Amino acid sequence: EVQLVESGGGLVQPGGSLRLSCAASGFTFSSYAMSWVRQAPGKGLEWVSAISGSGGSTYYADSVKGRFTISRDNSKNTLYLQMNSLRAEDTAVYYCAKDLDKDILTGYYDYWGQGTLVTVSS
Amino acid sequence: VIWMTQSPSLLSASTGDRVTISCRMSQGISSYLAWYQQKPGKAPELLIYAASTLQSGVPSRFSGSGSGTDFTLTISCLQSEDFATYYCQQYYSFPWTFGQGTKVEIK
Repeated sequence: EVQLVESGGGLVQPGGSLRLSCAASGFTFSSYAMSWVRQAPGKGLEWVSAISGSGGSTYYADSVKGRFTISRDNSKNTLYLQMNSLRAEDTAVYYCAKDLDKDILTGYYDYWGQGTLVTVSS
Repeated sequence: VIWMTQSPSLLSASTGDRVTISCRMSQGISSYLAWYQQKPGKAPELLIYAASTLQSGVPSRFSGSGSGTDFTLTISCLQSEDFATYYCQQYYSFPWTFGQGTKVEIK
């Protein structure tokens, strides 16, 4: 059974940093691209970042480029999102999501984690 | 950036109704479009990808159509469990983007 479990969310002051983790199980992690998608309270979905299965290719939304870094440790079956210079507008539930197709970056997701809430406030 | 216009933002319907949700792109994306359903407090679930391919396990009352700039999600016979918010998403080019969402509520 595929499982994605996010952790690392919490309350952080503006300008602060946070690292999110997504522990994956039930599939060959290194064979699938992964993404982070966020949802501000009461708002819609916003794609944040994606990474290829090998970790060699990464992509970012303009709103987080230069501040967030996506990475993965395939030996630990874990996806990360390092978030620096956090702003109030980064407040959201952050979901990790698994690409449906194997060995290719496709961009549509068949499994999602339960989400972790990040609140940026003083 | 590819801009997406999803409509309507709110749809009131009754069980048994046929409903359609539209998603229009600012530029052509071939068939690189997915549809998701999200219920309150839950993660989204994939319904359709490649504009018209039904994800495994999704009921056949859901269907998707379109290519280029205009896409439609249709629910042929609305069931009680279908009251939720629906999002389209383009994955044709970075940054990937989602539509604003359509909330389907009970009439």
